[in-house]
Amino acid sequence: DAKTTQPPSMDCAEGRAANLPCNHSTISGNEYVYWYRQIHSQGPQYIIHGLKNNETNEMASLIITEDRKSSTLILPHATLRDTAVYYCIVSGKLIFGQGTELSVKP
Amino acid sequence: GAVVSQHPSWVICKSGTSVKIECRSLDFQATTMFWYRQFPKQSLMLMATSNEGSKATYEQGVEKDKFLINHASLTLSTLTVTSAHPEDSSFYICSAGVFGEKLFFGSGTQLSVL
Repeated sequence: DAKTTQPPSMDCAEGRAANLPCNHSTISGNEYVYWYRQIHSQGPQYIIHGLKNNETNEMASLIITEDRKSSTLILPHATLRDTAVYYCIVSGKLIFGQGTELSVKP
Repeated sequence: GAVVSQHPSWVICKSGTSVKIECRSLDFQATTMFWYRQFPKQSLMLMATSNEGSKATYEQGVEKDKFLINHASLTLSTLTVTSAHPEDSSFYICSAGVFGEKLFFGSGTQLSVL
């Protein structure tokens, strides 16, 4: 099952774009990439998912490299409420890595 | 959108008692549900995969006799922590979805064993 690697923490200024990278070099051809975020003591909140093509929804954009070995979650205009731990996981067994703790600062 | 409901949100129990946690998919049928536990300041750890109508698949190191999983219908999976002890105190989370579609998580259950 594919594992993911993310930077442990990132800072972002309020109103700026937050770009969160994820490495999933062992992903299989039929496995999806999912992004979630978790605020303390709550269940993870779905953000976006994709297979090959870039995806966009009301929350974020997902950019997947052509070889599918990495992806980037983009929050176009980060707000203080976007401060959370962001997890990138691959479908199949849904193994969580350590995630990226994003701090949005005023 | 699809929602996964988890109940209870928190539970306090005495050591030696059993606790049941329910996970329901509210508006879709989930052939597979996942159970996780999470300790403070740590990531979610997959405990088991629950398949409707068959036995759950447990991750290495997770005691199947300790954490009983039942997935009797396409909308309900239960996790029973049997003979709970203080070291079982943790945040338990379930998830459900359809392959290739959104995968949703419950709001979690905080278990405290005294």
